[in-house]
Amino acid sequence: NAGVTQTPKFQVLKTGQSMTLQCAQDMNHNSMYWYRQDPGMGLRLIYYSASEGTTDKGEVPNGYNVSRLNKREFSLRLESAAPSQTSVYFCASSESVELGHEQYFGPGTRLTVT
Amino acid sequence: QKEVEQDPGPLSVPEGAIVSLNCTYSNSAFQYFMWYRQYSRKGPELLMYTYSSGNKEDGRFTAQVDKSSKYISLFIRDSQPSDSATYLCAMSKYNNNDMRFGAGTRLTVKP
Repeated sequence: NAGVTQTPKFQVLKTGQSMTLQCAQDMNHNSMYWYRQDPGMGLRLIYYSASEGTTDKGEVPNGYNVSRLNKREFSLRLESAAPSQTSVYFCASSESVELGHEQYFGPGTRLTVT
Repeated sequence: QKEVEQDPGPLSVPEGAIVSLNCTYSNSAFQYFMWYRQYSRKGPELLMYTYSSGNKEDGRFTAQVDKSSKYISLFIRDSQPSDSATYLCAMSKYNNNDMRFGAGTRLTVKP
């Protein structure tokens, strides 16, 4: 099992450009999450999907959109990137919302916006 | 004030030492308390979790939760160089997947 995979690993964008971060899991999990990690801030939840077909805002959703493409895949889109979105982005999954305390994380995407 | 406070360190100890990592929190609704380990340039991995108060032991690792003081700890016995990583505490309410993380403590275990 690959677990949770993310693409790309690294990305540099100019202000105003758009991009989509891809995430896939092969553990047959129902719930998926997107976080950003900034120095001194810890991980903060951007959006989550409790199950296929549903998405909800987390702590810091502004400037982002998500799509739960199917049970395996959950993408994060930046429509107009800003320097404040420079961060490391992690995707995670859990068997269910009720088991949301047991999350499995991907390797991350390092995004720089200039 | 952040909901979860964690001393960022860095913390450096000799091999074989007992390590104590701590977090405090302000939201009394938290019921699940997690410790994640994150190696450099990798994603976090769940070490262990505790539901409500009490202790939990897993090999060299012991997690403690004191809800009356809103204080959680992770102890690592006989620390090894392979334990060198950043340790993140995290918490969530019952039946709720919105975890709140501490900023992480960077630990180095020197041979």
